[in-house]
Amino acid sequence: NAGVTQTPKFQVLKTGQSMTLQCAQDMNHNSMYWYRQDPGMGLRLIYYSASEGTTDKGEVPNGYNVSRLNKREFSLRLESAAPSQTSVYFCASSGGGRSYNEQFFGPGTRLTVL
Amino acid sequence: QKEVEQNSGPLSVPEGAIASLNCTYSDQGSQSFFWYRQYSGKSPELIMFIYSNGDKEDGRFTAQLNKASQYVSLLIRDSQPSDSATYLCAVKSTGGFKTIFGAGTRLFVKA
Repeated sequence: NAGVTQTPKFQVLKTGQSMTLQCAQDMNHNSMYWYRQDPGMGLRLIYYSASEGTTDKGEVPNGYNVSRLNKREFSLRLESAAPSQTSVYFCASSGGGRSYNEQFFGPGTRLTVL
Repeated sequence: QKEVEQNSGPLSVPEGAIASLNCTYSDQGSQSFFWYRQYSGKSPELIMFIYSNGDKEDGRFTAQLNKASQYVSLLIRDSQPSDSATYLCAVKSTGGFKTIFGAGTRLFVKA
């Protein structure tokens, strides 16, 4: 099992450009999440999907959109990138493991917006 | 106001010592508590979870929970240089899907 995979691993954008971060999990988990991690700020939830077909805003949703394409895939879109969106983005899933609430994280996408 | 607070560190301990990491949370409805370890440049991974007041031991790790004081801690016995990482405290309320993470404590174990 690959677990949680994310693409791309690195990306540099110019202000105003758009892009989509892809995430997929092969653990048959119901819930999926997108976080951003900035120095000194910890992980902040952008959006989450409790189950296939549903999405909800997290702590910092402005400037982002998401799509839960199917049970496996959950994508994050930046419509018009801004320098404040420079961060490391992690996708995670939950619904199994030692605890039902355990979150399994992908390797992250390091995004720089110039 | 942050909902999950941790000392950012760094916490430096000698090899073989006990490392004590602390976390406080503000939501009294919190029911699930987690400790994740994150090596530099890597993604977080779960090392402990605890739901009930008291202690929970797993190998060299012990999680301690005091809901009355809204306090959760992680003890690492016989600390090893390989334990050097950032430790994230995470808290989840019953019935919700959001897990709130603290900013993390950096631990450095000196050989």
